[in-house]
Amino acid sequence: DTAVSQTPKYLVTQMGNDKSIKCEQNLGHDTMYWYKQDSKKFLKIMFSYNNKELIINETVPNRFSPKSPDKAHLNLHINSLELGDSAVYFCASSPGQGRTTGELFFGEGSRLTVL
Amino acid sequence: AQSVTQLDSQVPVFEEAPVELRCNYSSSVSVYLFWYVQYPNQGLQLLLKYLSGSTLVKGINGFEAEFNKSQTSFHLRKPSVHISDTAEYFCAVSWNSGGYQKVTFGTGTKLQVIP
Repeated sequence: DTAVSQTPKYLVTQMGNDKSIKCEQNLGHDTMYWYKQDSKKFLKIMFSYNNKELIINETVPNRFSPKSPDKAHLNLHINSLELGDSAVYFCASSPGQGRTTGELFFGEGSRLTVL
Repeated sequence: AQSVTQLDSQVPVFEEAPVELRCNYSSSVSVYLFWYVQYPNQGLQLLLKYLSGSTLVKGINGFEAEFNKSQTSFHLRKPSVHISDTAEYFCAVSWNSGGYQKVTFGTGTKLQVIP
């Protein structure tokens, strides 16, 4: 059983389209994250939810909207896709407030290519 | 603010030779330290972590790292590398901020093992 799973693994789409990436974790963790990894492999935090509550919201365009229906799921919806959105998006989780050292458990990534 | 510096973006090394990947951090608060490995087209996985105690930490796949508080370093070492160690390596620090653990990553070091 995969601990942190993301779908889809690959996304190829045209500029201006809307797309979603889904993430699920079966580790019983309270906190989930979205990271963006650019072509130079730099990892940047985008959002974090703790038990469905948004706790980190970095400077990210409003076109990106996370949603956490429950603490095991975190989705990312992107509107009006732009070329610069092309990247690998990683979902991660950690045990949660008071129970974590900051160790992160990552999914396999979703590679988004905007044409 | 906390930051992580990985000075070497690429490190080529011959198979069975030793390797050291350097990581320096800057922080005004107490931090935990991590090394993650990312194999091609995969997510990040934890290699090892320093939380407290012995400054020499052993991880998976024969890797170890030494925490040096005076030099604010956490360099990763392996005495004899294998082709399968070819990957991107990320150093990270975490700290408590407002009850939550925040994490920042270095820019990564690509280890290229030459046969």
